[in-house]
Amino acid sequence: GAVVSQHPSRVICKSGTSVKIECRSLDFQATTMFWYRQFPKKSLMLMATSNEGSKATYEQGVEKDKFLINHASLTLSTLTVTSAHPEDSSFYICSASLDRNKYNEQFFGPGTRLTVL
Amino acid sequence: QKEVEQNSGPLSVPEGAIASLNCTYSDRVSQSFFWYRQYSGKSPELIMSIYSNGDKEDGRFTAQLNKASQYVSLLIRDSQPSDSATYLCAVNMRPGGYQKVTFGTGTKLQVIP
Repeated sequence: GAVVSQHPSRVICKSGTSVKIECRSLDFQATTMFWYRQFPKKSLMLMATSNEGSKATYEQGVEKDKFLINHASLTLSTLTVTSAHPEDSSFYICSASLDRNKYNEQFFGPGTRLTVL
Repeated sequence: QKEVEQNSGPLSVPEGAIASLNCTYSDRVSQSFFWYRQYSGKSPELIMSIYSNGDKEDGRFTAQLNKASQYVSLLIRDSQPSDSATYLCAVNMRPGGYQKVTFGTGTKLQVIP
């Protein structure tokens, strides 16, 4: 159990376009999902915490107008990178926390590799 | 002091040996602790969770927690080349309510055949 999917796995786009990434918990309900980005050979960086039915909580330094997060249901959160630029190229990974687990284990999706030309 | 601290490595061990990975954390009231394995180019995979002081064993993996010393470790017995990866220690700083799991920067493990 505790499977998280992410789509697309890889995307290449032109500078200035917007890219939407979907994160789904397949076999459990996740009231909380998280979005991370990771640059090559660097550690995970938490971008935002997404709660179903409410606004996302962004980490310091992350532009909420640039990285739009929507958590419309207990199994789906989306991250939209608006007006993407080459510096936004990175590995974006979502995770979901088990709803009934008070210890808050996080299960990660397979990630989306974004390349902005 | 970093919230979650790990030696970046690389830690090199011969095949069949025990690999010992260590992690310290700063928040004394942390209640849950996790070890993730991340292969190069892939996302992290949860391999162990531990919540109480002492040892927790799962197959070749043993997690050890000492809350008094604010220390958590992961032992991998009979290390295999396929265990070569970066191991991330994660600590849930505020269980329940507003939760924030903080990750260490990871220890790179190399198992030499």
